[in-house]
Amino acid sequence: AQTVTQSQPEMSVQEAETVTLSCTYDTSESDYYLFWYKQPPSRQMILVIRQEAYKQQNATENRFSVNFQKAAKSFSLKISDSQLGDAAMYFCAYRSAESYGGSQGNLIFGKGTKLSVKP
Amino acid sequence: GAVVSQHPSWVICKSGTSVKIECRSLDFQATTMFWYRQFPKQSLMLMATSNEGSKATYEQGVEKDKFLINHASLTLSTLTVTSAHPEDSSFYICSARADYFNEQFFGPGTRLTVL
Repeated sequence: AQTVTQSQPEMSVQEAETVTLSCTYDTSESDYYLFWYKQPPSRQMILVIRQEAYKQQNATENRFSVNFQKAAKSFSLKISDSQLGDAAMYFCAYRSAESYGGSQGNLIFGKGTKLSVKP
Repeated sequence: GAVVSQHPSWVICKSGTSVKIECRSLDFQATTMFWYRQFPKQSLMLMATSNEGSKATYEQGVEKDKFLINHASLTLSTLTVTSAHPEDSSFYICSARADYFNEQFFGPGTRLTVL
């Protein structure tokens, strides 16, 4: 079974600084997807960034980028120029590719990292 | 991105009553819908996966007779918490995806409080 581990329950960053959130996962599959979701106090889940495992290039979305290390099974999120609105819970998630029998595309979440942004 | 709605956004009920939560995909046809449960300061735990027109697949430890899921159409799935008890109080989140989407779209969640 696949597992996702986020070892940092809480992180803090100064506004305008850079912070990196860690995520490791365990799987025997070779084809899968990895996601970072943001959950602000409203509790609406918001997709931050997505990485396909077959792609070597790290995904980037504006101030958000990932460091995907497939061999190490590591998928960290870097937030540059942190803003007050970035304060939220961040969840790392794993999804099997459709080619794997039995998978319906459900997400496996880590326990989350609570990010605080100091003004 | 695609929009998923949930109704109600919050509900308070008495112990022993049943509560129905609706999840709708507003601008796409959802072949698969997922129901999650989230306790305070915890992660999302998948309860069940439902495909339109077929029975839901429940995760281990989730009582299918207590949490009834119906995915009657490609835009609507419902979760009914039967004979609710205080321990069922939680935040319930649905998500939906279509085969041509590479991601799930989440509803805003429903906070259930059982007195």
